[in-house]
Amino acid sequence: DAGITQSPRHKVTETGTPVTLRCHQTENHRYMYWYRQDPGHGLRLIHYSYGVKDTDKGEVSDGYSVSRSKTEDFLLTLESATSSQTSVYFCASRGAPTDTQYFGPGTRLTVL
Amino acid sequence: SQQGEEDPQALSIQEGENATMNCSYKTSINNLQWYRQNSGRGLVHLILIRSNEREKHSGRLRVTLDTSKKSSSLLITASRAADTASYFCATARGQAGTALIFGKGTTLSVSS
Repeated sequence: DAGITQSPRHKVTETGTPVTLRCHQTENHRYMYWYRQDPGHGLRLIHYSYGVKDTDKGEVSDGYSVSRSKTEDFLLTLESATSSQTSVYFCASRGAPTDTQYFGPGTRLTVL
Repeated sequence: SQQGEEDPQALSIQEGENATMNCSYKTSINNLQWYRQNSGRGLVHLILIRSNEREKHSGRLRVTLDTSKKSSSLLITASRAADTASYFCATARGQAGTALIFGKGTTLSVSS
């Protein structure tokens, strides 16, 4: 987990409010990813980035947006949180050419 | 949708025994990776096996890959209580920047 941090680690919010989760890496990795983990589903990709300002959608991108203005930071925004977005969110990074991903500690988000 | 599916979903063994977990996937891959997740933590990379490899070892870990059957197995020998965790297989298709696709995981419990 070294080199990747997520903030906040826990958040409780209400339906309809905007939420931004931050991922910060100090490895100078080109690629960064946001996943959500839910019981019975494993990890599912939300969005990923292959460079500054270069992002693309994953499997479960509806209701989420991302931004990457610097190599080290990857932000995940829930424009209007819903209860179905209650989950644990993990950020990961990868440095080319390896395929190994390094994960952050996760953010537990509860939407009431 | 998940690419990999682990089997069994849960496994309980005694310390000193071997633990075997299986993973099946659906499409062609560039490599397959195994990750471990301790409760409440992020995922940690264990081992990567490329599509042209059949077996790989790392300490007490042994991974096999059968691309004709689209399956892989992870063997942990001489299990310890500290091996208690969830184990996920993840596949990479090799396109630059694309994310890993994770299975739902096997939960391993090792009792002393």
